[in-house]
Amino acid sequence: GAVVSQHPSWVICKSGTSVKIECRSLDFQATTMFWYRQFPKQSLMLMATSNEGSKATYEQGVEKDKFLINHASLTLSTLTVTSAHPEDSSFYICSARDWREHYNEQFFGPGTRLTVL
Amino acid sequence: GQQVMQIPQYQHVQEGEDFTTYCNSSTTLSNIQWYKQRPGGHPVFLIQLVKSGEVKKQKRLTFQFGEAKKNSSLHITATQTTDVGTYFCAGLTMTTDSWGKFQFGAGTQVVVTP
Repeated sequence: GAVVSQHPSWVICKSGTSVKIECRSLDFQATTMFWYRQFPKQSLMLMATSNEGSKATYEQGVEKDKFLINHASLTLSTLTVTSAHPEDSSFYICSARDWREHYNEQFFGPGTRLTVL
Repeated sequence: GQQVMQIPQYQHVQEGEDFTTYCNSSTTLSNIQWYKQRPGGHPVFLIQLVKSGEVKKQKRLTFQFGEAKKNSSLHITATQTTDVGTYFCAGLTMTTDSWGKFQFGAGTQVVVTP
């Protein structure tokens, strides 16, 4: 299957700082990327859908000014957690879809574990 | 809004036994996917079901999509310790922008006792 990478794999930051997480599709062009967050022993909650070249679509309850998403190219999407607070500590996972080759299948990145002190 | 419910939340299974996890959507789905997440890992795609009443098998795993395309099940026979993990269903509904959106069920955490 296709490969999606995420960087960093884990990050610890102080409250009030901003953290950028990168999601890359390594061997395919991702027309759509998704950002999820997962709390311990819970399901994946979709935060936003990111389509290349257009604004991200945020799910209800997700602050778009706090979670900035940029899908600048067909292989890269970034999620920036601005002014992070301890309650933002979570496992953030991106996934990518390539409609042309693997219709509807989502390829997940390895995730980024964010800890805000 | 759309809700995808998955039961049971936890499943303790003796090695060699069978078990089933169920996924129910409040709305009709375009398709449904199943994923497995090992402890500390990320979800890995298992299968996609598209057609009403579809049944697919992968070795000891049998996946079903209901006739109304609102429910699905995953049945594992002769459970092995390698089956440990959390199994998620993800239902796809089409959106007005035609990209579609997945909603994940809560997952079934499977623990296998040797």
